[in-house]
Amino acid sequence: DGGITQSPKYLFRKEGQNVTLSCEQNLNHDAMYWYRQDPGQGLRLIYYSQIVNDFQKGDIAEGYSVSREKKESFPLTVTSAQKNPTAFYLCASSTQALVNTEAFFGQGTRLTVV
Amino acid sequence: AQSVAQPEDQVNVAEGNPLTVKCTYSVSGNPYLFWYVQYPNRGLQFLLKYITGDNLVKGSYGFEAEFNKSQTSFHLKKPSALVSDSALYFCAVRDNAGANNLFFGTGTRLTVIP
Repeated sequence: DGGITQSPKYLFRKEGQNVTLSCEQNLNHDAMYWYRQDPGQGLRLIYYSQIVNDFQKGDIAEGYSVSREKKESFPLTVTSAQKNPTAFYLCASSTQALVNTEAFFGQGTRLTVV
Repeated sequence: AQSVAQPEDQVNVAEGNPLTVKCTYSVSGNPYLFWYVQYPNRGLQFLLKYITGDNLVKGSYGFEAEFNKSQTSFHLKKPSALVSDSALYFCAVRDNAGANNLFFGTGTRLTVIP
């Protein structure tokens, strides 16, 4: 069963802690993306990666870090430098770098700072 | 710069009536346009896309969208709404000028009233 898997579904973080959100895909997609969703603001791009061992900052990369050591995996770390991390995080992938193909999304991770 | 506007935060429609969810866009080149739907606490599901060709695009679950270049619009439509269509709908745009990003609107919440 192909798709994108994000884990965990819910995550709680204490202030000052780093947390890592997992994103795995078995669609053989080259490109992967992380978006942040806040109420009333749509989706904003955090980071994206077109190939293994390469990634680019999106519009709101500050306070986040990523790695792309394997084609299937694109984990996102929310660092203590991110001042307002409470949000819904969505991972996506596509066959090319979104040239004319749709992106496929995971089910999301809801991160809450406690 | 690319941008997407969804002028209505909320759209209410009676079951069985036609529905329209509005989207306008701004891009520097030719647009690639997408509609996604999101159910509560879930990821985004692809509905349809416009790349080129016929201005009327048909997608999943009976949805269609009409591309209007002169009005820079890509409104989502369905002839007869179902209660199960109630969800959050996102319009997205990407131009072909090279940016590897998908710009999302802020979303429109559709409620279909039984």
